[in-house]
Amino acid sequence: EPEVTQTPSHQVTQMGQEVILRCVPISNHLYFYWYRQILGQKVEFLVSFYNNEISEKSEIFDDQFSVERPDGSNFTLKIRSTKLEDSAMYFCASSVTSGGISSYNEQFFGPGTRLTVL
Amino acid sequence: SQKIEQNSEALNIQEGKTATLTCNYTNYSPAYLQWYRQDPGRGPVFLLLIRENEKEKRKERLKVTFDTTLKQSLFHITASQPADSATYLCALDVVSGAGSYQLTFGKGTKLSVIP
Repeated sequence: EPEVTQTPSHQVTQMGQEVILRCVPISNHLYFYWYRQILGQKVEFLVSFYNNEISEKSEIFDDQFSVERPDGSNFTLKIRSTKLEDSAMYFCASSVTSGGISSYNEQFFGPGTRLTVL
Repeated sequence: SQKIEQNSEALNIQEGKTATLTCNYTNYSPAYLQWYRQDPGRGPVFLLLIRENEKEKRKERLKVTFDTTLKQSLFHITASQPADSATYLCALDVVSGAGSYQLTFGKGTKLSVIP
């Protein structure tokens, strides 16, 4: 069964460093997302991406964050200068469609990357 | 302000009983409501989706209801098994100002099924 994959599974970095989290969405999916989950808290939407551009972003997704689809398979989240509060589990997800009256927005999540900022 | 509340942080039930989890929301008009399962250290896994014009949806031992007047969804697991122990997340499919959809999650209810 096709699945979303993410690498690395765990990333430890120093405050102020740049990190890139990588995801390979399911191959026939068109919409891609990043979510984060701080330990013990709810899953929070960061950004959605379609047709090589951001379609929506939350207020968490500030100028320190960027996303890219550098080739036909990878989808990356870059955090330019990490802060302690960026420590969280980051989940990539993908869906065939984005929703809407005639659409179906089941999202498939990857296993996550645990980011620890020291 | 907008809120999604799941009735309790933790729910313990005896094996074989029906587990009922509640999701209430305020100040949203979701097109869909979805339920996901999350195991510790893992990503959410989709279970069921119900549209705003549907009252009930079933899948094997799972049943979801959606009452847009009460702004509430109930999620039932019948004949519960220890393997059903996990955190269950309610998620609203919400139209953003830009016209696209995004999932907004509740905090989840941690279900423990006791043998």
